[in-house]
Amino acid sequence: DIQMTQSPSTLSASIGDRVTITCRASQSIRSWLAWYQQKPGKAPKFLIYKASTLETGVPSRFSGSESGTEFTLTISSLQPDDFATYFCQQYKDYPWTFGLGTKVEI
Amino acid sequence: QVRLAQSGTEVKKPGASVKVSCKASGYTFTNYDFNWVRQATGRGLEWMGWMNPRTGNTVYAQRFQGRVSMTRNTSINTAYLELSSLTSDDTAVYYCARGSGELDYWGQGVLVTVSS
Repeated sequence: DIQMTQSPSTLSASIGDRVTITCRASQSIRSWLAWYQQKPGKAPKFLIYKASTLETGVPSRFSGSESGTEFTLTISSLQPDDFATYFCQQYKDYPWTFGLGTKVEI
Repeated sequence: QVRLAQSGTEVKKPGASVKVSCKASGYTFTNYDFNWVRQATGRGLEWMGWMNPRTGNTVYAQRFQGRVSMTRNTSINTAYLELSSLTSDDTAVYYCARGSGELDYWGQGVLVTVSS
C-alpha cells in the first residue's frame, strides 16, 4: 500500500497567518492527490484534486502544489472558518490511502 | 443539489453483521462511483472499497476482503455496505462518498458501535 505521511500533526496559527501542510507519498502517485477539510462531527469536505486544482466554490486562499512525491496545501491567510483538520488522499493505486491528518488550531 | 443521505446509528454485538445504506439524490445515480470510508473515533480515514453503481462491479481493500459487500438498488438510488464478523475494531463512523478518485460528495456518516 502507498503510505501517505502528513506533517505536522498539529499546527497552531492565528487569523491571517500563512499555513502550509505537507503530505509525502511513499512512492510516485504522479498528481493523483486530493485534499479534504474536516470539522468535528462532520463529514470531510472536498477541497483540491489532482494535487493543485481547486474544487468549485473553495476559496482562493487555498492552494495545492507538488514536487515529486511531496505535496503541499497552503492557506494564504487563515480565516476563522479554516480551523479544522486537513487530510490528504492518494488515488493512484488501490487501496486509496489517506494521511493521518493535520489539525489546525488557534 | 447533490445529497447522500445515510441510515441511522447501529449497535451490534461481536460476530454480527451490519448493513448501512446511502441514498443519493440531485444527480444521476449510475453516473458516479460510490466509495465507503470509515473513521474510528479520533483516528484517520480508511478507504474500504469502491463500487460502480451502473455495473455493480466492486474493488475492496484487501484487509476487508471476505467480510465486506457493496451493493446497490438502482431503482431507489441507494448504495449499501455490509460488513460481517464484526469486532470492536470495527467501531467507527462509516461514510459513503461519491467519486472515482477524489471524493467530491460525502454522506453525513453512520456510527456503528460493536459491543457485547
